[in-house]
Amino acid sequence: SQQGEEDPQALSIQEGENATMNCSYKTSINNLQWYRQNSGRGLVHLILIRSNEREKHSGRLRVTLDTSKKSSSLLITASRAADTASYFCATAKYSGGGADGLTFGKGTHLIIQP
Amino acid sequence: GAGVSQSPRYKVAKRGQDVALRCDPISGHVSLFWYQQALGQGPEFLTYFQNEAQLDKSGLPSDRFFAERPEGSVSTLKIQRTQQEDSAVYLCASSFFSGVIYNEQFFGPGTRLTVL
Repeated sequence: SQQGEEDPQALSIQEGENATMNCSYKTSINNLQWYRQNSGRGLVHLILIRSNEREKHSGRLRVTLDTSKKSSSLLITASRAADTASYFCATAKYSGGGADGLTFGKGTHLIIQP
Repeated sequence: GAGVSQSPRYKVAKRGQDVALRCDPISGHVSLFWYQQALGQGPEFLTYFQNEAQLDKSGLPSDRFFAERPEGSVSTLKIQRTQQEDSAVYLCASSFFSGVIYNEQFFGPGTRLTVL
């Protein structure tokens, strides 16, 4: 079953604007990751934030994590047409077995209008 | 080097047929994962291998689904007696397992299975 819920389900903005999408999850986590998926490149890892971190940056991406609210947000600044894709948050629970399958949300479909 | 590859990219099966989906992980990656992605949904975890050991198969939806990785490299996901609800994209991912630190998973392009 899906762990998280992304919000909004769909988002359409103009090129150059910022895009913000949110993710909520249900259980305790070791880390939270954001992935992008489009038809051209498949599912690609964007950024990982650990449960003891509150904010992380990578290029035009900014991720926040609030473990008390079990929520995360992904901000894409200065959006480009190439950012058009579906964005998923995924959580991993380190159970001590070495690695865990990821639990994905349903995704936010982002459209950047030129 | 090369990324994760999967074959076939597309598979059409008649209901009741058996299918086998192949995954070639990135060389040296110890961990291998299978996911199922239905249309409009996020991927759902099926099973996980560390080398040849299948450590977690909690996500396999029924006993018609079987996965193996006999030599700790290539993996095959087999679905017996396919049903229409098995229609989905099957994604394979691999990662380098360092023992404690969780590592990024690299995904293949997926196999789109359509069951008629």
